[in-house]
Amino acid sequence: DTEVTQTPKHLVMGMTNKKSLKCEQHMGHRAMYWYKQKAKKPPELMFVYSYEKLSINESVPSRFSPECPNSSLLNLHLHALQPEDSALYLCASSQSSAEDTQYFGPGTRLTVL
Amino acid sequence: QKEVEQDPGPLSVPEGAIVSLNCTYSNSAFQYFMWYRQYSRKGPELLMYTYSSGNKEDGRFTAQVDKSSKYISLFIRDSQPSDSATYLCAMSGAGGTSYGKLTFGQGTILTVHP
Repeated sequence: DTEVTQTPKHLVMGMTNKKSLKCEQHMGHRAMYWYKQKAKKPPELMFVYSYEKLSINESVPSRFSPECPNSSLLNLHLHALQPEDSALYLCASSQSSAEDTQYFGPGTRLTVL
Repeated sequence: QKEVEQDPGPLSVPEGAIVSLNCTYSNSAFQYFMWYRQYSRKGPELLMYTYSSGNKEDGRFTAQVDKSSKYISLFIRDSQPSDSATYLCAMSGAGGTSYGKLTFGQGTILTVHP
């Protein structure tokens, strides 16, 4: 089973709201990723967790806060977002590093009003 | 200059045609090469994964990597309307500042019409 699940599928939030995106995988993968994808663009890497530790933060604004509670779960906490943060947020996982195959979830489509 | 160049298209072909999708790259240190298919408003789905140079075939799909030319290709035989999607090339394994990251091309939008 090469499935990565993400909830919710869609999210609409105001600029003062706090919300969280969730990602789960049960493939025993030890690397997990958050990407942001705007229309007609490739995914842009935001964060990488390796063995439940944050290993890469691509200079993402602090209004995005990742969390890895255990090896199967990855959260992205959102606070005080801007309309330009509206995008498809993708979670991915791989065996242990980016050199391994990355499997993507279906994404959460976020709209910030 | 982008590290990975991919013609965004759009590319429109009739059903049954052979489709050729290509990417060029500048970093000779890349070792792992992938093709993803992404349907509209969905997450990318891995199609092919190749290590170093050579060919790999899976059903109607063939991936080729030519490291000497820094050029990778994906061929789709007997294309179907269900192949209509955006195709993203991606690569990794360069180490250095690219360690732990996938580098994507811009994606090619493909439409296969009946």
